[in-house]
This record gives sequence, C-alpha cells and structure tokens, in this order.
Amino acid sequence: DARVTQTPRHKVTEMGQEVTMRCQPILGHNTVFWYRQTMMQGLELLAYFRNRAPLDDSGMPKDRFSAEMPDATLATLKIQPSEPRDSAVYFCASGEDWDTQYFGPGTRLTVL
Amino acid sequence: QQPVQSPQAVILREGEDAVINCSSSKALYSVHWYRQKHGEAPVFLMILLKGGEQKGHEKISASFNEKKQQSSLYLTASQLSYSGTYFCGILYSSASKIIFGSGTRLSIRP
Repeated sequence: DARVTQTPRHKVTEMGQEVTMRCQPILGHNTVFWYRQTMMQGLELLAYFRNRAPLDDSGMPKDRFSAEMPDATLATLKIQPSEPRDSAVYFCASGEDWDTQYFGPGTRLTVL
Repeated sequence: QQPVQSPQAVILREGEDAVINCSSSKALYSVHWYRQKHGEAPVFLMILLKGGEQKGHEKISASFNEKKQQSSLYLTASQLSYSGTYFCGILYSSASKIIFGSGTRLSIRP
C-alpha cells in the first residue's frame, strides 16, 4: 500500500531557527505538492514540482521559504528563519499532474 | 480567487441527504473534491472536468455546471463515516494552480 511519508510529524522550535520538513512521494508519481493549512487561511498551495522541476512557488514567502527536490524520492521544505506566523500543518502530496493527489500525514509545526 | 463553498456547516442524521456547493466567479477548468477528518490529511474523492459531467463514488456523487460556474457534491443516505470537512479545489485552466475553498463541515449524528 503505497503512501506519502513526511518527517517529522511534529516540530516545536523557537523563532529564528531553521526548520526542514521532508517528504517521500509515492514512487512513480510525477508531481509533488507542498501545502500549508491553518484555521485562518485554510489549505494553501505553497509550491509544486513536476518531474522534480519547480513549476510554481508563488504561494510561499520567498525570503524565508525554499522548496527543493534533490531526487525523485525526496522533497524538502525549509523555513529560515522561522516565525510564529509559520505555525501550521504542512502537507506534502504527490500524484500524476493535477489528477488524484495523495496527501501525506502532515508535519505540525509550532514556532514559539 | 478562492471558490465559495456553501453551506459552511451542516448537521445531518444518519441516512439523510446533503448537498454541498462550490461556486466560482470565473469559468472553471476542473473541480476537485476532498474530505478531511479531524486531525487527518485530506483524502481525494473525485475530479470533474468542464463539460457538465457527473461522477460517482459509493453514495457520493458530484456534478459540474459550466454555465453556473459551480460544482455540487451530493451525499445520499449519509453514514457516520461521512463526517468531516469537505473541500473543493478549482483550476481555472490546465496551466493554473489549484485553489481550495474554505470547506464545509459535515456532522452526521446517529
């Protein structure tokens, strides 16, 4: 049963620290998505990759967020420096283009 | 522009039907429906492409009305397992990115 995995599941950090979230997409999927979910803003698309190439990252603050896909089995989302307003659940999802997206369990980030 | 979902919340008794709407101010290319249970990740339900098609998934189906720029999700004979928040996500073109609505919270009572 193929699944998207994310690490860590929970992260508590202090303002100013670097945070790295990792995602292993389902093997064979050509598109990887990063989402952020908060009560206030709902589900927001931060960035997505197709065949490991970044297609759109307009949803994330460029000065502090960066997303990469060093190989087909790993996608990373980094925040440096982190701020309290970054507290949210970050989901990674993978799929074939804009077809069915399979979401990972999420990383719950708390920035103090 | 974020699609508008209605109602924001609905409470049903087991076995009752519900309709959740997702409306856009612009022409749509596709509509995606997801369900999310509390504390869990969203789970895909179905995708509808422009053309007014209707799709089904168990007792959950959806329609896409191009003229009205709207999609509706139909839940018939609801079960306790249908509880959760339903999100629609829309694409305005094949080259655009998905934008999600704010969700409709569905509660099913025995």
